[in-house]
Amino acid sequence: AQSVAQPEDQVNVAEGNPLTVKCTYSVSGNPYLFWYVQYPNRGLQFLLKYITGDNLVKGSYGFEAEFNKSQTSFHLKKPSALVSDSALYFCAVRVFSGNTPLVFGKGTRLSVIA
Amino acid sequence: GAVVSQHPSWVICKSGTSVKIECRSLDFQATTMFWYRQFPKQSLMLMATSNEGSKATYEQGVEKDKFLINHASLTLSTLTVTSAHPEDSSFYICSARRPSGSHEQYFGPGTRLTVT
Repeated sequence: AQSVAQPEDQVNVAEGNPLTVKCTYSVSGNPYLFWYVQYPNRGLQFLLKYITGDNLVKGSYGFEAEFNKSQTSFHLKKPSALVSDSALYFCAVRVFSGNTPLVFGKGTRLSVIA
Repeated sequence: GAVVSQHPSWVICKSGTSVKIECRSLDFQATTMFWYRQFPKQSLMLMATSNEGSKATYEQGVEKDKFLINHASLTLSTLTVTSAHPEDSSFYICSARRPSGSHEQYFGPGTRLTVT
């Protein structure tokens, strides 16, 4: 079975400071990893994904994530946070086996303070 | 990017009635669609996987007779909440994936269901 853990319910960061949202995963096989962002009463917006290749993945809005196989982690990062980055962030994983769905972490609420 | 739409975006219904939510892939054919449910301040819980032309596969604990899923075409899947109760109030989100070989799931904007 596959699972995702986001150990922090809430992350607070000052505007302009770097931010990190943590994610670890557990799968049987090679993982495909994703980050999504959700604004209030909205659906999910895709940020970035890791499928294969370079461990550092760059995505939308200046976000990036690093795949670390030994630590089974895929932390989301941004060098300089904006107030508009405040939202709910979800890490998700799937294995490439037929039509397996994405399995989501519980989400981390990011609050960027001006 | 691909676009997935949902209709309605919000709905209020009385207990005992049924509500149908539509999910459409607007610019690609989706052989597989997924239905998720999200409670306030919680993660997305997968309810079922819907494959075009066949019966949906429900996750453990999801009542298939209560949450009827129909994937009649490559661009449309519907979720019908039958005999709705207040505890069915939630945010329902559908997701679609392109035919085999694609890694990404595209998400609809969600439907807020309130049962009074």
